[in-house]
Amino acid sequence: EAGVTQSPTHLIKTRGQQATLRCSPISGHTSVYWYQQALGLGLQFLLWYDEGEERNRGNFPPRFSGRQFPNYSSELNVNALELEDSALYLCASSKGLTLYNEQFFGPGTRLTVL
Amino acid sequence: QQPVQSPQAVILREGEDAVINCSSSKALYSVHWYRQKHGEAPVFLMILLKGGEQMRHEKISASFNEKKQQSSLYLTASQLSYSGTYFCGTTGNNRKLIWGLGTSLAVNP
Repeated sequence: EAGVTQSPTHLIKTRGQQATLRCSPISGHTSVYWYQQALGLGLQFLLWYDEGEERNRGNFPPRFSGRQFPNYSSELNVNALELEDSALYLCASSKGLTLYNEQFFGPGTRLTVL
Repeated sequence: QQPVQSPQAVILREGEDAVINCSSSKALYSVHWYRQKHGEAPVFLMILLKGGEQMRHEKISASFNEKKQQSSLYLTASQLSYSGTYFCGTTGNNRKLIWGLGTSLAVNP
């Protein structure tokens, strides 16, 4: 069974640009979660999608947005990039509309903002 | 409100035991435990639900004290493979999963 995949592996942008990160969940998983992992700040919950809808959102500004496609893959968009957006962005997937299922994480996208 | 994990870091010799705590100031519905090895993605250990039983993953077990709004992760007879950062995540009534800052565990031979 293929795991969660993310692309690209690394992304380098400059301040003010936009970044698009992609995630493909495990087959059969309908929920996709996005996290930001910055040094020293642990895992910060960004967004949760299930069946194409945004189910919950963390405490991030509106320039962090995303969507989930009919095939359950997901995209995270970060507009007007700031230096502090530099972090590892992790995507996870799980079965079903519940927070109580195991989440399977992808390898992450390392975003560097210069 | 972000759960507080303690200790922040712990160093063990192989075979020793350790306890990692996760506390919240808000009422909890569930506690999630994950382990992340350096350079890898977090991996699920267990989820404890309000009113549920103590859980176990190999020689790692966890408890959930709803009254104290606290969970503890017990690592027994630690192995080198236990090294990594342990994260607890908590959910309350708002269904948001909020993660602690992690506890770094190093197991030495």
